[in-house]
Amino acid sequence: EAGVVQSPRYKIIEKKQPVAFWCNPISGHNTLYWYLQNLGQGPELLIRYENEEAVDDSQLPKDRFSAERLKGVDSTLKIQPAELGDSAVYLCASSQGDNEQFFGPGTRLTVL
Amino acid sequence: SQQGEEDPQALSIQEGENATMNCSYKTSINNLQWYRQNSGRGLVHLILIRSNEREKHSGRLRVTLDTSKKSSSLLITASRAADTASYFCATWGMDTGRRALTFGSGTRLQVQP
Repeated sequence: EAGVVQSPRYKIIEKKQPVAFWCNPISGHNTLYWYLQNLGQGPELLIRYENEEAVDDSQLPKDRFSAERLKGVDSTLKIQPAELGDSAVYLCASSQGDNEQFFGPGTRLTVL
Repeated sequence: SQQGEEDPQALSIQEGENATMNCSYKTSINNLQWYRQNSGRGLVHLILIRSNEREKHSGRLRVTLDTSKKSSSLLITASRAADTASYFCATWGMDTGRRALTFGSGTRLQVQP
């Protein structure tokens, strides 16, 4: 069974540029999460989807971040414009209900 | 914001020794989970313990949960060099409006061969 797929694995951009990350969850998992992980810290939730509905986006900086999950499968997280402080690893995870979450390898973003 | 705090922040042991990591959290939980993260990789689920459980085993892993003290411990017995990684505890809270894991800041374990 394929795991959670994320792309790209690495992205380097200049500040004020837009950037997008893509995630394909495990087949059949209706819950999808985007996390941000800073160096030396644990992941912090940005947004959670139940199917195509964003049910918890309270931690998503909505002035520059947006996300979508069309058809309740793949998801895209976008930052526009990126700032220096956005440099981090962006993790996608999926699950069935409240049980264990399966994480992708993450996208390491560097904003110059 | 981080819910849990792991202790110690870093741990270095010799292969064959046991490693114990502790986690404290702040609010009532539904379950607590432990994850491992190898350098540059995503997180891998290790074990889940529910709030009505006190101890759980999985292979060389033993997890305890004390809800009265809001704390948990992860014991890795007979450690191997391949156990070198960061270990995170994560709590699933009782707040039904926020159904997501809240992670601690992790313990970085180094197992010397």
